[in-house]
Amino acid sequence: SQKIEQNSEALNIQEGKTATLTCNYTNYSPAYLQWYRQDPGRGPVFLLLIRENEKEKRKERLKVTFDTTLKQSLFHITASQPADSATYLCALIPSYKLIFGSGTRLLVRP
Amino acid sequence: GAGVSQSPRYKVAKRGQDVALRCDPISGHVSLFWYQQALGQGPEFLTYFQNEAQLDKSGLPSDRFFAERPEGSVSTLKIQRTQQEDSAVYLCASSLGQGSGTGELFFGEGSRLTVL
Repeated sequence: SQKIEQNSEALNIQEGKTATLTCNYTNYSPAYLQWYRQDPGRGPVFLLLIRENEKEKRKERLKVTFDTTLKQSLFHITASQPADSATYLCALIPSYKLIFGSGTRLLVRP
Repeated sequence: GAGVSQSPRYKVAKRGQDVALRCDPISGHVSLFWYQQALGQGPEFLTYFQNEAQLDKSGLPSDRFFAERPEGSVSTLKIQRTQQEDSAVYLCASSLGQGSGTGELFFGEGSRLTVL
């Protein structure tokens, strides 16, 4: 069956460290993968898109990698800040619609 | 408006009542999606519109769920005879092009439905 897996346990890190979140998928062949941020009581907000032929994408303190052989994407936030605390969702685009993972909650301690 | 607008933000319904949730997408956006998000889970796809055409309704949980977008802009998600398992946040999202494409989806803040 098709699955998108994100770590269900919250990631708790110290301010200033790099946060690394993982998204694994099975039985999909997505052309694109996106990462979204969701704060409590709010809708998801788009962060980054990476294409299947791109290995890495950066935007300010954010970096995403996409390994179609391993069927895995890694999402990094460098020099993390308490304001980065949120749930991060990965989403695959196998065709025209987004399929979301369950999200990983990130807590950045001051 | 500047973003996707959803109303009501909160709705409490008694079991068996009908509810209607409204989505006002970004002006000019062709694609409109409805997602359902249970607590602690990611959004689950419900249905997709391209302009006024409902091209995919495969995610609607039962025939009690109905969505429309008659003029290709505002959309309404209707749930008839609500059940407790319908309690969730219903998210609407729009995008400029067809489908999710290579662009981002713009989400509304969601409508939180609680069925007692």
